[in-house]
Amino acid sequence: EADIYQTPRYLVIGTGKKITLECSQTMGHDKMYWYQQDPGMELHLIHYSYGVNSTEKGDLSSESTVSRIRTEHFPLTLESARPSHTSQYLCASSEVGTSGSFGEETQYFGPGTRLLVL
Amino acid sequence: DAKTTQPNSMESNEEEPVHLPCNHSTISGTDYIHWYRQLPSQGPEYVIHGLTSNVNNRMASLAIAEDRKSSTLILHRATLRDAAVYYCTRPRGSTLGRLYFGRGTQLTVWP
Repeated sequence: EADIYQTPRYLVIGTGKKITLECSQTMGHDKMYWYQQDPGMELHLIHYSYGVNSTEKGDLSSESTVSRIRTEHFPLTLESARPSHTSQYLCASSEVGTSGSFGEETQYFGPGTRLLVL
Repeated sequence: DAKTTQPNSMESNEEEPVHLPCNHSTISGTDYIHWYRQLPSQGPEYVIHGLTSNVNNRMASLAIAEDRKSSTLILHRATLRDAAVYYCTRPRGSTLGRLYFGRGTQLTVWP
């Protein structure tokens, strides 16, 4: 069973506030990801990391930033929240499958943070 | 185009088998096909994956077409707890971890 945690689960905040969404995993995975998902829509990758001090932007442009100082921790920060940031944010980590092949990795997701910016 | 195509929704009765199709006609020979499902108010969870041959695990079976342009997730006996959005995913490009999820198939299971 995957052990990946996200806090808070729900957050309602006013425009202009700085927020940090926490994500931690206890599986020792090097690779971690942040996705953004609106209701009924597909998941969009916004950030990923291949290990400590490694971060890259994903497929969907995002005003958020991430950091990876420790293997188990991958927080996402919005310096100034806006209503357009209202969404669900999902964190994931991954491990490579038994073949060791590049494409056989399996991603494990946290429960998500639902953000509402007023 | 590294996308997958799935029906928007499907329905099943409890205890009946469910076959969830997915088209991935542009998949490369080394791309694995992964299936995830997302229960309400939760993050996606891994279901099964495969490359060329059919695969079975405790949750489901995966049947992959010989030409690998499509696959089918099989739930042998649907339960109410199987009601979820099912995503067929494939790698997007050559960067590790970049998967195309799409909107998935919303499975409704009737008692």
